[in-house]
Amino acid sequence: GAGVSQSPSNKVTEKGKDVELRCDPISGHTALYWYRQSLGQGLEFLIYFQGNSAPDKSGLPSDRFSAERTGGSVSTLTIQRTQQEDSAVYLCASSFGYASYNEQFFGPGTRLTVL
Amino acid sequence: AQTVTQSQPEMSVQEAETVTLSCTYDTSESDYYLFWYKQPPSRQMILVIRQEAYKQQNATENRFSVNFQKAAKSFSLKISDSQLGDAAMYFCAYSFSTSGTYKYIFGTGTRLKVLA
Repeated sequence: GAGVSQSPSNKVTEKGKDVELRCDPISGHTALYWYRQSLGQGLEFLIYFQGNSAPDKSGLPSDRFSAERTGGSVSTLTIQRTQQEDSAVYLCASSFGYASYNEQFFGPGTRLTVL
Repeated sequence: AQTVTQSQPEMSVQEAETVTLSCTYDTSESDYYLFWYKQPPSRQMILVIRQEAYKQQNATENRFSVNFQKAAKSFSLKISDSQLGDAAMYFCAYSFSTSGTYKYIFGTGTRLKVLA
């Protein structure tokens, strides 16, 4: 596809369950970013990948959050033992190269609801 | 601490009029980049305009322009001839490199309503 895609678009889960959120970046984009957008809040930067490696994981809110990227393409954000405060929209973005001036192309997001 | 502040949670503008969205940031970096992103109701965020901090000239993209005041750490977005399609959340963002990595910081957003 031409743009960044994310799946699922919506996810409802019960507290304590694990969830996996998927991001397919634009083909050829080497950098990939994950953000969390809570109601009334800005975008909270979680993690970014240069290729398959993540040089900075400090944005992950807790050790229940993890992310990986394989083949320099698809990325998965995993949240273990979900809590109600994890409810948010999770946005993925990609860019061509990793530099602070690069435009990020965003996906439509995954809305996560933890009951 | 690096922060981005958007003090206007919501703004309204009449169609065809001009509106300015404010953004201030706090940084100790000398080289960085500033962005305005638009998030329409469809949720997919798109870049509106970008400004390099070392450039004094304000960036312009068609009806969108910025007023970049580096000393004041201010980066406002002006939308001229507002259109109904401009209605969206607008996020100001700031990025810089540090210790071989990159940081991206977004503000909390301003919801723009365009009145017909």
